[in-house]
Amino acid sequence: EPEVTQTPSHQVTQMGQEVILRCVPISNHLYFYWYRQILGQKVEFLVSFYNNEISEKSEIFDDQFSVERPDGSNFTLKIRSTKLEDSAMYFCASSDRQGDYGYTFGSGTRLTVV
Amino acid sequence: QKEVEQNSGPLSVPEGAIASLNCTYSDRGSQSFFWYRQYSGKSPELIMFIYSNGDKEDGRFTAQLNKASQYVSLLIRDSQPSDSATYLCAVTRGRRALTFGSGTRLQVQP
Repeated sequence: EPEVTQTPSHQVTQMGQEVILRCVPISNHLYFYWYRQILGQKVEFLVSFYNNEISEKSEIFDDQFSVERPDGSNFTLKIRSTKLEDSAMYFCASSDRQGDYGYTFGSGTRLTVV
Repeated sequence: QKEVEQNSGPLSVPEGAIASLNCTYSDRGSQSFFWYRQYSGKSPELIMFIYSNGDKEDGRFTAQLNKASQYVSLLIRDSQPSDSATYLCAVTRGRRALTFGSGTRLQVQP
């Protein structure tokens, strides 16, 4: 069964450092998403991406965040200057239509900012 | 603020019983409704979706939607210990991304 692949599975970084989280969506999917889940809290939407541009973003997705699809397969989330409160599980998701049949989530990257 | 509300639980049911999970949403314009299962430390996994008022069945799972009451539920028949997880309700409308509730933790007792 096709899956969304995320790397790394766990990343530890120092406060103020830049991190890039990587995702390979399902190959025939066109819509891509980043969500995060702080430990014990709800899954929160960050950004959606379609046709090489951001289609929607939340209040969480401020200037320290950016997304990119550098080639035909990868989809990345960059956090420029990490804060302690950025520590969370970050999930990438993709869908073939605009979420009509739900999203397929990757296994996540656990980001720990120290 | 568009909200999706779920009772955090835990909801404890004996093996073989029916588990009933509920969700309310505040955006009356919501059009699509999803149930995801999330095991501890894992990613959300889609169980089923529903768009129209009424019931939709898939194996042991039945989703129920009542748009007038802004209410969606998930019934799990013949609950198994492997069903023990957190169940997330998610809603959307139009082209917007899914909004998730905080989830209900289900415990199925052997």
